[in-house]
Amino acid sequence: EPEVTQTPSHQVTQMGQEVILRCVPISNHLYFYWYRQILGQKVEFLVSFYNNEISEKSEIFDDQFSVERPDGSNFTLKIRSTKLEDSAMYFCASMPGQGGETQYFGPGTRLLVL
Amino acid sequence: AQTVTQSQPEMSVQEAETVTLSCTYDTSENNYYLFWYKQPPSRQMILVIRQEAYKQQNATENRFSVNFQKAAKSFSLKISDSQLGDTAMYFCAFISYSGTYKYIFGTGTRLKVLA
Repeated sequence: EPEVTQTPSHQVTQMGQEVILRCVPISNHLYFYWYRQILGQKVEFLVSFYNNEISEKSEIFDDQFSVERPDGSNFTLKIRSTKLEDSAMYFCASMPGQGGETQYFGPGTRLLVL
Repeated sequence: AQTVTQSQPEMSVQEAETVTLSCTYDTSENNYYLFWYKQPPSRQMILVIRQEAYKQQNATENRFSVNFQKAAKSFSLKISDSQLGDTAMYFCAFISYSGTYKYIFGTGTRLKVLA
């Protein structure tokens, strides 16, 4: 069964450094998402991506964040200058198409900013 | 604004018993989907069950079933014959047909199944 994959599984970085989190969504899916979960808290929406552009972003997704789908398969989340409060689990998800269908989540990347 | 509320931060149940996790939501929309996701210690998000709002029949998946009360905006999850492997965090989530179909999650219920 196809699945969403994410790399790396864990990332430790110094405050102020740039990080890129990578995701490979399921191949025929059209909608892509990033969510964040700070330890012990709920999963929060960051951004959605459709037709090669951002379709919606939350207030968490400020100028330090960016997403792109550089090669039609990978879907990346970049944090330009990490802050301590960016430490969280980041989940990528993809969805086949419109109609409220199920989103399929990757295993997550655990980011720790020191 | 759409919100999802899970009022039980933690619950426990004896193995083989039945437990019900509560979820309420608020929306002005008529068409939407509701989901329960399980998050074990590995923190992977695993779909447990989903319900289309336009369907009156409650969804079931093996030992998992929901009680969907649309007028009350309630969506509870019942786990029958609880197993040790059911120990996890459970999140209720809402998605609407409008906008970009982002999920809105509740704060989660931590379920512990006791041997």
